[in-house]
Amino acid sequence: GAGVSQSPSNKVTEKGKDVELRCDPISGHTALYWYRQSLGQGLEFLIYFQGNSAPDKSGLPSDRFSAERTGGSVSTLTIQRTQQEDSAVYLCASTGLAGQNTQYFGPGTRLTVL
Amino acid sequence: KQEVTQIPAALSVPEGENLVLNCSFTDSAIYNLQWFRQDPGKGLTSLLLIQSSQREQTSGRLNASLDKSSGRSTLYIAASQPGDSATYLCAVGAGGSYIPTFGRGTSLIVHP
Repeated sequence: GAGVSQSPSNKVTEKGKDVELRCDPISGHTALYWYRQSLGQGLEFLIYFQGNSAPDKSGLPSDRFSAERTGGSVSTLTIQRTQQEDSAVYLCASTGLAGQNTQYFGPGTRLTVL
Repeated sequence: KQEVTQIPAALSVPEGENLVLNCSFTDSAIYNLQWFRQDPGKGLTSLLLIQSSQREQTSGRLNASLDKSSGRSTLYIAASQPGDSATYLCAVGAGGSYIPTFGRGTSLIVHP
């Protein structure tokens, strides 16, 4: 596609449920990032994928968070047993060569945990 | 650890003013710096990317400068318009990491 897409755009869930957020990066981009943006806060790095290398998971806040990237393209961020503090906008970005080129962001998924 | 600060946190100006947004960083060993715009409820849109070997980049009414030695970048917006109202974020890519560090942004309102 022409840009990074994310789905769903909005997700409302109950505390304790699992959620899956999807990111489709720009075709051909090898690097993919997940960030979290809470109200009034800056962007918080979660996880980074580069090609077939092992992902950098150093930003994941707890073991309830996990992500995978299949076939070097689509990525799914999974949050298990959601908590109210997980409520935030989850943003995905891709770039052609990590660290060198422009990051292109998707529109985000707004997650609300009741 | 890289820290990125953006000043001011918020800015309200009348239409037509030229304005400067500031971004400072603590580790000068960077490989690039990027300015983004974020509209309410939207993702980030890249405005300008400055590589470490460059001093400035220009796009239309926007000009971004980079001074690595002082750990500073400025985004200059000429002849501001109400459509420029948004949050502006800078992100610094530092040596040894492919994970950029973002500032908290400057919220800009340009009123008619």
